[in-house]
Amino acid sequence: DAKTTQPPSMDCAEGRAANLPCNHSTISGNEYVYWYRQIHSQGPQYIIHGLKNNETNEMASLIITEDRKSSTLILPHATLRDTAVYYCIVRVGQAGTALIFGKGTTLSVSS
Amino acid sequence: GAVVSQHPSWVICKSGTSVKIECRSLDFQATTMFWYRQFPKQSLMLMATSNEGSKATYEQGVEKDKFLINHASLTLSTLTVTSAHPEDSSFYICSARGHLGGANVLTFGAGSRLTVL
Repeated sequence: DAKTTQPPSMDCAEGRAANLPCNHSTISGNEYVYWYRQIHSQGPQYIIHGLKNNETNEMASLIITEDRKSSTLILPHATLRDTAVYYCIVRVGQAGTALIFGKGTTLSVSS
Repeated sequence: GAVVSQHPSWVICKSGTSVKIECRSLDFQATTMFWYRQFPKQSLMLMATSNEGSKATYEQGVEKDKFLINHASLTLSTLTVTSAHPEDSSFYICSARGHLGGANVLTFGAGSRLTVL
């Protein structure tokens, strides 16, 4: 499976956009990019996923570069409740396959 | 949406006792569930894959006789920590695939915090 590289930590002011980068230069054609976040002492929460195209949902936007070697998760208007560890995971879409977590990015949103 | 429920949320036990953690898919059936463990300030580590009606598959370094997994139905998997010791104190999290389609979106439970005295 492709490995991902994320910055260990990032800061963001409340109300501003938070842009979290992820490098996955060895991604295969059948691997998706998944983003999860984990707020302290809770289970991971699904945010968004994509294969090739950019995606948007009520939580965030996912921008995947054309060569698929990197992606950016965008939280358009960060709030204090968005403070969490954000995980970028690259994995095949096959059912029965676990997600493997790296160290993620700790996002701190401050007022 | 897909919901995964874990019980108990937290448990304290004495060293040498066994503890069972339940993981239920509330509104969908899950032939496969996954168990993770997370130590303080560390990432989630996959422990095992639980398959309905068959034996679980354990990751390297995880003792199958210590962490007993039973997946007797399409909505319930249990993790039993046998003869627990203080080093087994951790945050245990289960997950299941509740999303249809080509992607492998997993839904996670809220986790169960185990403290062994």
